[in-house]
Amino acid sequence: SQQGEEDPQALSIQEGENATMNCSYKTSINNLQWYRQNSGRGLVHLILIRSNEREKHSGRLRVTLDTSKKSSSLLITASRAADTASYFCATADPTSGTYKYIFGTGTRLKVLA
Amino acid sequence: DARVTQTPRHKVTEMGQEVTMRCQPILGHNTVFWYRQTMMQGLELLAYFRNRAPLDDSGMPKDRFSAEMPDATLATLKIQPSEPRDSAVYFCASGLAAGAGANVLTFGAGSRLTVL
Repeated sequence: SQQGEEDPQALSIQEGENATMNCSYKTSINNLQWYRQNSGRGLVHLILIRSNEREKHSGRLRVTLDTSKKSSSLLITASRAADTASYFCATADPTSGTYKYIFGTGTRLKVLA
Repeated sequence: DARVTQTPRHKVTEMGQEVTMRCQPILGHNTVFWYRQTMMQGLELLAYFRNRAPLDDSGMPKDRFSAEMPDATLATLKIQPSEPRDSAVYFCASGLAAGAGANVLTFGAGSRLTVL
């Protein structure tokens, strides 16, 4: 079963706009990660946020975490056509094996040039 | 850059045949994961190893799937006999489990399996 659910399932925006994706998860966590998957490729790690952090930045990426709501959001600012990909959140339930990561359903982002 | 190597990249086989997928994790990583990705189910965790020991294979159909790590440089996923519903992309990922539950995964390029 999926640990995380991303929302929306698909998002289409114009180049230069911001893209926001949300992730909800079910259990307690030590950290939450976001990954990107380009078509036909493996997933690539983007950013990790720990449970005691509320916000984290990396370049054009901004991640927030609300453990009380069991949710996280990924914001990509000033999007580019190269950002077109699927984005997944991943969490591990510390009670079932701290390092066992379960992925959400993903958000398909399309950035139009 | 260190990478996770998966073979084969593509495999077409007939129903009932045995399929073996191989993965070379990144040297020094102590966790290995096998995931299956389909349009309908998304990314499903099939098996998880830490320090070569299988810790969780609850997501794997036991009657036909098996996963092993004969040594630190090789992980295998075997399907016998294969069925059309096994058609999917199978990903291997490895990571270094550190303190506070942090384990950043590096994924291979995947093995695309088609069972006719």
